[in-house]
Amino acid sequence: DAGVIQSPRHEVTEMGQEVTLRCKPISGHNSLFWYRQTMMRGLELLIYFNNNVPIDDSGMPEDRFSAKMPNASFSTLKIQPSEPRDSAVYFCASSFGAGGNQPQHFGDGTRLSIL
Amino acid sequence: TQLLEQSPQFLSIQEGENLTVYCNSSSVFSSLQWYRQEPGEGPVLLVTVVTGGEVKKLKRLTFQFGDARKDSSLHITAAQPGDTGLYLCAGSRRSNDYKLSFGAGTTVTVRA
Repeated sequence: DAGVIQSPRHEVTEMGQEVTLRCKPISGHNSLFWYRQTMMRGLELLIYFNNNVPIDDSGMPEDRFSAKMPNASFSTLKIQPSEPRDSAVYFCASSFGAGGNQPQHFGDGTRLSIL
Repeated sequence: TQLLEQSPQFLSIQEGENLTVYCNSSSVFSSLQWYRQEPGEGPVLLVTVVTGGEVKKLKRLTFQFGDARKDSSLHITAAQPGDTGLYLCAGSRRSNDYKLSFGAGTTVTVRA
């Protein structure tokens, strides 16, 4: 079975450029999460979608960050303009339902470096 | 400040030795999950514990949820190099809460 698929796996770009990260959740999962992982702060939830609707975006650090989920099989996280402090690994995860007992299935992440 | 504190931060042991990592909080959780993350990959769920005092075993891994549901431990018996990775605990305050609070993790290295 295909897991959560993220692209690109690595992105290196210059400060000020627009960055778009992509995620394909597991088919049939109705909850989607975007996380950011850094050495300093660990895993942080950025935004949560349920049935393609953004439910909680309180973790999005600034207005430079935006996320969309146009359909059940695709989501994007966009940073515009990007800054060096955005450098991190960004993970997408999906689950069936979204209670604390539900396992979240993570993609392999996008390692983002902003120069 | 992390809601879940994991200790130790790093652990390096020889193959065949036992190890325990801890996940502690001052808050009560409805459930706790343990994930293992290998370099270049996303976290993978190992187990979910939901009942205070619960013990779950997964081959050589033993997970325990504290009676008060504020802490958890992961014990590995006869560790192998394949157990190397970042172990993360994650808690949910309510059973219907989508938000998981992750600990900072314990990096375990098992030397052959």
